[in-house]
Amino acid sequence: SAVISQKPSRDICQRGTSLTIQCQVDSQVTMMFWYRQQPGQSLTLIATANQGSEATYESGFVIDKFPISRPNLTFSTLTVSNMSPEDSSIYLCSGGPWGETQYFGPGTRLLVL
Amino acid sequence: DAKTTQPTSMDCAEGRAANLPCNHSTISGNEYVYWYRQIHSQGPQYIIHGLKNNETNEMASLIITEDRKSSTLILPHATLRDTAVYYCIVSHGSSNTGKLIFGQGTTLQVKP
Repeated sequence: SAVISQKPSRDICQRGTSLTIQCQVDSQVTMMFWYRQQPGQSLTLIATANQGSEATYESGFVIDKFPISRPNLTFSTLTVSNMSPEDSSIYLCSGGPWGETQYFGPGTRLLVL
Repeated sequence: DAKTTQPTSMDCAEGRAANLPCNHSTISGNEYVYWYRQIHSQGPQYIIHGLKNNETNEMASLIITEDRKSSTLILPHATLRDTAVYYCIVSHGSSNTGKLIFGQGTTLQVKP
């Protein structure tokens, strides 16, 4: 199984600013994903982080708001841009081989004031 | 949209088996059934998955009906630490990108 870490674990930010969240996997994985979990809600998929190409976004999510990088098979970043209080959520990444079980990081808890 | 239906909440006595049902009546032949759980304030934890046959590991057993339209996750001896939200997810097999579509899950409360 893959072990996934995220930085930061939590942050408090001012509206209008941006935050970049890092996701590190302890082994090379084919697939990496980013999810958002709003307070009291289930997880919603934001995008697939593609290595060496632009991320694939789900309906309702756009690159200008959530730019994603994936420079190699073990690392990805998600930026939450021009934040508003509605962006207060837990952001989670997952990773795993193609066609196999995906494992999740511990999440980044973001509060926007 | 999620392709599964689960009860919103369930209770279980500590030490007893917890049986969590999931309906996935529109599942197709190459789709797997995955179970994850999320303990408060943590990332989802993988539990088990299966295609057709029943599966067992150190955490749980997964029973899939013959028509594959429903399944049951069994925690054989529930403890207080098993209190969590349990998610049943159907995910593509042969064209599996790995992305998971979460429903609302079942909140399992294990009571002393």
